[in-house]
Amino acid sequence: QVTLRESGPALVKPKQTLTLTCTFSGFSLSTTGMCVSWIRQPPGKALEWLALIDWDDDKYYRSSLKTRLTISKNTSKNQVVLTITNMDPVDTATYYCARATDGPYDAFDVWGQGTLVTVSS
Amino acid sequence: DIQMTQSPSSLSASVGDRVTITCRASQGISNYLAWYQQKPGKVPELLIYAASTLQSGVPSRFSGSGSGTDFTLTISSLQPEDVATYYCQKYNSALSITFGQGTRLEI
Repeated sequence: QVTLRESGPALVKPKQTLTLTCTFSGFSLSTTGMCVSWIRQPPGKALEWLALIDWDDDKYYRSSLKTRLTISKNTSKNQVVLTITNMDPVDTATYYCARATDGPYDAFDVWGQGTLVTVSS
Repeated sequence: DIQMTQSPSSLSASVGDRVTITCRASQGISNYLAWYQQKPGKVPELLIYAASTLQSGVPSRFSGSGSGTDFTLTISSLQPEDVATYYCQKYNSALSITFGQGTRLEI
């Protein structure tokens, strides 16, 4: 059974750096084709893709946020970490991680439950 | 960047109705399109990928079609449990994965 679970702080202050961890099971990020992405959803709004890392450690970022995002993986721990610098109240959202299995040109077949991050002083 | 535009943004239908949601890409994306269902307060779930391939476990009343710039999601006979927001997503480029703005479906 494939599962993903997001973890991180529920509240961060403006200008701080957010670090989120996606811990997964049921697959290996060293297997060819496997990818993990981060997607967020502000309250009441649409989904917004943020970043993707693939089995070969290639990384892809949303262009408008590229300077603030860093994605990395720890294959032995089955974890993917996303950091977002210089957090702002507009970054308040539920953050999801999700899996793709056929490389970076594939849909997301399994999602984590999401973690709500609020940015406020 | 390629934009994804869904229509309508919301709709109300009756149980048993045939419902169609459209998604238009501002440039051609071949069949690199997925549809997701997000029930209120829940996690998005993959319904269809490659424009028309039904994800395992998804009821057969859901279907997808299209290629290039115009895509549709059809529910052949609407059920109460289909109340949700539906999103299209393009994934033809890993540098610009994009979701549509969503279509809220009510009964």
